[in-house]
Amino acid sequence: DTGVSQNPRHKITKRGQNVTFRCDPISEHNRLYWYRQTLGQGPEFLTYFQNEAQLEKSRLLSDRFSAERPKGSFSTLEIQRTEQGDSAMYLCASSKGQGTGELFFGEGSRLTVL
Amino acid sequence: AQSVTQLDSHVSVSEGTPVLLRCNYSSSYSPSLFWYVQHPNKGLQLLLKYTSAATLVKGINGFEAEFKKSETSFHLTKPSAHMSDAAEYFCVVSDAGGTYKYIFGTGTRLKVLA
Repeated sequence: DTGVSQNPRHKITKRGQNVTFRCDPISEHNRLYWYRQTLGQGPEFLTYFQNEAQLEKSRLLSDRFSAERPKGSFSTLEIQRTEQGDSAMYLCASSKGQGTGELFFGEGSRLTVL
Repeated sequence: AQSVTQLDSHVSVSEGTPVLLRCNYSSSYSPSLFWYVQHPNKGLQLLLKYTSAATLVKGINGFEAEFKKSETSFHLTKPSAHMSDAAEYFCVVSDAGGTYKYIFGTGTRLKVLA
């Protein structure tokens, strides 16, 4: 494994359903980040972990969003009761060190809420 | 709190002419600064980074950027544009000593004309 892996790559769901995305970071990376990107915009910070601890969560993230990183390895991002406004690309990135190193991004998980 | 402003949402240049993509930042601490590139339907890729070493930073594909603390700028340049440079470019700031989250600008779409 040489990169960050995200699954599923595409998800189409109906409004009100729950969805879960998974991110497998580069194995030696202690930090893991989630971003959301909509068309024509830059990635928007959602949350990040150092090992298994969730250190910060964006105030833009509603209570319908939750993220976990059990055992400091893979991470999941769950969206409950999806809304059409949740349609976006969800990006995962990992890095090592103290937060000044390169972020390595996955290909992203595209969510479409009908 | 840190922030980053990309001054141009779109830039068009002719092939073979210089490229200038402008970025200004705001940071409470000594910042780390990055430029990422995103080609259509591709993941984000690091072009270059500044982390308090040399103020002129060289990156991949002939790009470079200069950190100017007095102007709070980190503009991206390339002497001669190539058709393959057409993409979206993001300036990113991370606060060393702060919250270590990486904040992206809104992006600059570079168009290269034949």
